[in-house]
Amino acid sequence: AQKITQTQPGMFVQEKEAVTLDCTYDTSDPSYGLFWYKQPSSGEMIFLIYQGSYDQQNATEGRYSLNFQKARKSANLVISASQLGDSAMYFCAMRGGSARQLTFGSGTQLTVLP
Amino acid sequence: DVKVTQSSRYLVKRTGEKVFLECVQDMDHENMFWYRQDPGLGLRLIYFSYDVKMKEKGDIPEGYSVSREKKERFSLILESASTNQTSMYLCASRPGTGGAGANVLTFGAGSRLTVL
Repeated sequence: AQKITQTQPGMFVQEKEAVTLDCTYDTSDPSYGLFWYKQPSSGEMIFLIYQGSYDQQNATEGRYSLNFQKARKSANLVISASQLGDSAMYFCAMRGGSARQLTFGSGTQLTVLP
Repeated sequence: DVKVTQSSRYLVKRTGEKVFLECVQDMDHENMFWYRQDPGLGLRLIYFSYDVKMKEKGDIPEGYSVSREKKERFSLILESASTNQTSMYLCASRPGTGGAGANVLTFGAGSRLTVL
């Protein structure tokens, strides 16, 4: 079974500062993928970043980076230079081995303060 | 761009009614999914389909059924709606094969269902 844990229901960050959203996972599959999605108040899920379990480098996409610590089974999302438009719900998810579906965490509501 | 379209953004139904939620994708994706989103619980998988007429139960299939008669369309059916099915329903799709990009789910805008 796969499990994703996001322990921060809500986070606040000042505009232009960096913020880290925590995500830990549990799987027995040696091959897996980790994902972060953003859900603004409009409701649509937006894919942000992907990390494969065998990737040597941490994934980066613009202001988003994924701090992947395999031994600790963590896949934290780092947003640099926060913007007001970053205020949203953020979901961590994983797909393990041969599974077709993604398993999601409970989400973190990020609020960027001006 | 891949587009996943959910037919209804907001629905209000009565207890016991049969409810159809429709989802259409336009990029020939093999895999389609229905998730339910509730506060504090994240997204939970109801059903998914990896081919026409093929379906598999997710984590919370009770009270739901699905239909996939055509590759581009995946319908979620609530046979007899109940108040505990009041929720946001999200449809998603992704290719069946390919590289890392094939793993990425593309979501629809969601259907918010209220059962009175």
